[in-house]
Amino acid sequence: DQQVKQNSPSLSVQEGRISILNCDYTNSMFDYFLWYKKYPAEGPTFLISISSIKDKNEDGRFTVFLNKSAKHLSLHIVPSQPGDSAVYFCAASKLGGSQGNLIFGKGTKLSVKP
Amino acid sequence: KAGVTQTPRYLIKTRGQQVTLSCSPISGHRSVSWYQQTPGQGLQFLFEYFSETQRNKGNFPGRFSGRQFSNSRSEMNVSTLELGDSALYLCASSVIQISNEQFFGPGTRLTVL
Repeated sequence: DQQVKQNSPSLSVQEGRISILNCDYTNSMFDYFLWYKKYPAEGPTFLISISSIKDKNEDGRFTVFLNKSAKHLSLHIVPSQPGDSAVYFCAASKLGGSQGNLIFGKGTKLSVKP
Repeated sequence: KAGVTQTPRYLIKTRGQQVTLSCSPISGHRSVSWYQQTPGQGLQFLFEYFSETQRNKGNFPGRFSGRQFSNSRSEMNVSTLELGDSALYLCASSVIQISNEQFFGPGTRLTVL
């Protein structure tokens, strides 16, 4: 049973346009969500996070939106740049509990075309 | 500050052998987690160590084990290797016991023939 789902394995966007990556989760105990970016032959790099007490968090070109009632979050990249081409992983965890691990989705490969 | 380092970066083994992978966390980080990444399954949690104790374990068979040393360095061991163990093994470290922002190493690419 996949608790964190990224239903789009790939996404292609034109440079300068908006990229929207989606993520759904099933476990209502999750209360902290993160996005990681991964280039080939490198480990994932932390991008942005959001706590369940918020519905939006912004950092430069990256914004994460959380809809708790729908158990859905999305990452918006505006404007998209060719260097943003990578695999993006959504991850979830439980703050303050006994779980010290992250539950990851399977990733979405973003291609930004010049 | 140096990042998370993992050795070796690449490894080729044959079925039935065992393998040990090493991870050195960022200085000052006491929590180390291990993940397995495969094309079909994404990143799956193996286990987490804090202060030399395994705090949490994922759904992997007993052939997968790990340990953490007093300097926070960690090793994971896979015994009786199977073809399906071919994957990228990632180590991540974080400052405190329960931290959601983990910093990943580059991974060890294990190929089992």
